[in-house]
Amino acid sequence: GAVVSQHPSRVICKSGTSVKIECRSLDFQATTMFWYRQFPKQSLMLMATSNEGSKATYEQGVEKDKFLINHASLTLSTLTVTSAHPEDSSFYICSAKGTTTDTQYFGPGTRLTVL
Amino acid sequence: DAKTTQPNSMESNEEEPVHLPCNHSTISGTDYIHWYRQLPSQGPEYVIHGLTSNVNNRMASLAIAEDRKSSTLILHRATLRDAAVYYCISRGTSYDKVIFGPGTSLSVIP
Repeated sequence: GAVVSQHPSRVICKSGTSVKIECRSLDFQATTMFWYRQFPKQSLMLMATSNEGSKATYEQGVEKDKFLINHASLTLSTLTVTSAHPEDSSFYICSAKGTTTDTQYFGPGTRLTVL
Repeated sequence: DAKTTQPNSMESNEEEPVHLPCNHSTISGTDYIHWYRQLPSQGPEYVIHGLTSNVNNRMASLAIAEDRKSSTLILHRATLRDAAVYYCISRGTSYDKVIFGPGTSLSVIP
């Protein structure tokens, strides 16, 4: 199946700093990517839908100025958590859908810990 | 997306078949049924999907009820590596966002 990678796999940062997470589709082009957040023992919560070359669509309750999403190419989307605080500590997961498949493929996730 | 309901948890003995049920009584005629699974500390993994006919792949089988209001994911021979949370999702067009419910946590007993 198609491969989606995320970088970094885990990151620890100080409160108030910004963190960028990359999501790449390695062997296919993805016009649409999705960003999720998952807290311990909970299901995945969709944060936003990222479309190549246009602004992301955020789910209700997700602050667009805090979670900046850029989808500059057909293989790369980035999520920047700005001015991170301990409550932003979570598992962030992206998914991507290719132009020729009906299936979404998920990245391995990024564990963010804000001290 | 149509809402789906699944049992919170299930147990299976190793090397026995597992039938994971999913109800999607409000599914529309064009919604596909997708199954994903998530192992601990990993991203979800695609398992299988179908529309009306039963589907088989190397990982599992998907049995879809004739009225499409329910489906069953079948793992033919559970292994310890199959212990995961299994999510059943019904989706419209292929670009529709995937909304996850709580899923079924499958435990496999050696």
